[in-house]
This record gives sequence, C-alpha cells and structure tokens, in this order.
Amino acid sequence: EPEVTQTPSHQVTQMGQEVILRCVPISNHLYFYWYRQILGQKVEFLVSFYNNEISEKSEIFDDQFSVERPDGSNFTLKIRSTKLEDSAMYFCASSNQGAEDSPLHFGNGTRLTVT
Amino acid sequence: GESVGLHLPTLSVQEGDNSIINCAYSNSASDYFIWYKQESGKGPQFIIDIRSNMDKRQGQRVTVLLNKTVKHLSLQIAATQPGDSAVYFCAENQAGTALIFGKGTTLSVSS
Repeated sequence: EPEVTQTPSHQVTQMGQEVILRCVPISNHLYFYWYRQILGQKVEFLVSFYNNEISEKSEIFDDQFSVERPDGSNFTLKIRSTKLEDSAMYFCASSNQGAEDSPLHFGNGTRLTVT
Repeated sequence: GESVGLHLPTLSVQEGDNSIINCAYSNSASDYFIWYKQESGKGPQFIIDIRSNMDKRQGQRVTVLLNKTVKHLSLQIAATQPGDSAVYFCAENQAGTALIFGKGTTLSVSS
C-alpha cells in the first residue's frame, strides 16, 4: 500500500538554526498538509497546500515557517530560525481530494529537537 | 474556540472485550469525521470515517456512530486485541477547511 514517507526521522538542531523537514506524499495525491504534535498532546494543524500554493494555515504557521513543493514528488517544511518551543513531532499528510472529502494519510513523522 | 474533544483520556479493557471510545464535537457545521489510531512512534493511521448524512458505519471489527443531535461520535472496537493498544483520535472537518483533531484517548488492552 502506498505511503507517505518523511525524512529525517529525527532532527536535532540548535536554537536559531534553520531546518528543512522533507516529505514524499503518496504519488497520485494532490493535497498536502503539515501537522505537529508536541509530546503527549493532540495533533495540531499547521498548513495545507494545493495547486502549488497554501490553501489554509493556522496561527502556529507564522513567518518563520514556509512550505515548498520543489519538484513533482517532494513537499518540504522549513523553519527559518528555530525556537525551543518548536520541538515536536512534525507529520506530513496527503490526500487525493480535499480534507472535507477524503481522509488524510500521514507519514510517521520527524521528531524535531531544538536545543 | 470550537474544538473536537474526547470524554476520557484513558481506557483500559481486557482482551476480547468490546471497547467504546467517545468524542464530543462542538461545531454543528462539521460534516465529515474520521477516527485515527496512533501507535507509539508512528503517525496517525486512518481507521474509519463517516459523513454527517449517516449515523452509523461499519468496518472490520470497528463501528463508528454519529449522533448529530448531541454532537457525539463514538468508535466501537469489537473483540479488542493487544494490537489495538494505541492512542485514538477523532477528527472533524469544519466548514470544508482543515481537519481538526481532538485530544486523544489512550486504549490499553491487557491479556
């Protein structure tokens, strides 16, 4: 069964550094998402992306965050200057229709640790 | 603000029992609901979904019930197995926008 893959599985970075989290969505999916989960808490929406542009973003997704689909297979999340509170699991998801029509399929996440 | 939540943070059952995990939602405009299972170190895994024009949907060993009158969603797992131990999240789609997750219920199955 096709799956969403994320790399790296664990990223350690120092405060103030830039990080790029990478995702390969399911190949025929058109809608892409990033969510995050602080340890032991619920999964929080960050951003959705469709047709090469952001379709929705949450208040968490401030100017330090950006997303990109640099080619036909990758979908990235960049955090420009990491803060301690950015430490979390970051999940990429994709769907073949919008979130109101089909379930999101999630990757296994990247654990980001900011020191 | 409006959000999706769960009634109990933890649920412990014996292997072979039926499990019921509950979720309350507050937005009457939500029209699509999904249950996800999250095992340790993994991402949320789709279990079953239901639309607001239905009140029940069955899958393999799982049933989702939707009560729009009281804005309540439940997941029933038949003959619970140790492999069902995980955190279960309900999620709702509000007004055709982002999928919003509730807080999660940790299901522990003892054999």
